[in-house]
Amino acid sequence: GENVEQHPSTLSVQEGDSAVIKCTYSDSASNYFPWYKQELGKRPQLIIDIRSNVGEKKDQRIAVTLNKTAKHFSLHITETQPEDSAVYFCAASIGGDDKIIFGKGTRLHILP
Amino acid sequence: DTEVTQTPKHLVMGMTNKKSLKCEQHMGHRAMYWYKQKAKKPPELMFVYSYEKLSINESVPSRFSPECPNSSLLNLHLHALQPEDSALYLCASSQSGTYYEQYFGPGTRLTVT
Repeated sequence: GENVEQHPSTLSVQEGDSAVIKCTYSDSASNYFPWYKQELGKRPQLIIDIRSNVGEKKDQRIAVTLNKTAKHFSLHITETQPEDSAVYFCAASIGGDDKIIFGKGTRLHILP
Repeated sequence: DTEVTQTPKHLVMGMTNKKSLKCEQHMGHRAMYWYKQKAKKPPELMFVYSYEKLSINESVPSRFSPECPNSSLLNLHLHALQPEDSALYLCASSQSGTYYEQYFGPGTRLTVT
């Protein structure tokens, strides 16, 4: 079946440094790639998304890049802050179906 | 209003009980979703409603029964659950199709005893 691989599962970075999380997907028909942040005990919240007609999107300290040929996309967080500590999930739409599939998540720790 | 609401926040039920989870959105979204999330795992899709019709059932056991009374409401009826069904149940909504952001509700924390 279709799947989304996400790496790493855990990431620790010093405050102020950058963090990068990578995902690969299997469905060549995928055309929408959201990233969700989930803090402990809270709902997943969209932080950025990208559609297949663009290769990069940026929103302040957060950026996402997409390589459709290689079927991978990445989340970049610059100048990390303590409030960036959370679990981050990538996801990809499934072509022909009304659903998205999530990666297994990355637990990001921002070290003081 | 960009919020999805869910009730109750917490629910404890026995294996012989019948209960329902409720979800509501007033964003005019035409797609609504139920997810199950276990600790330290990603949300796992259960059901999708598109224009009030069930479009996807991810082989969910029949002890879970979804219902979409109208375009703003989504229910999940629970009956004869097992302890392993204990989890966070998340509702989400989006404009029709997967090309749009899914907005998640706060979830219902379900414990089956």
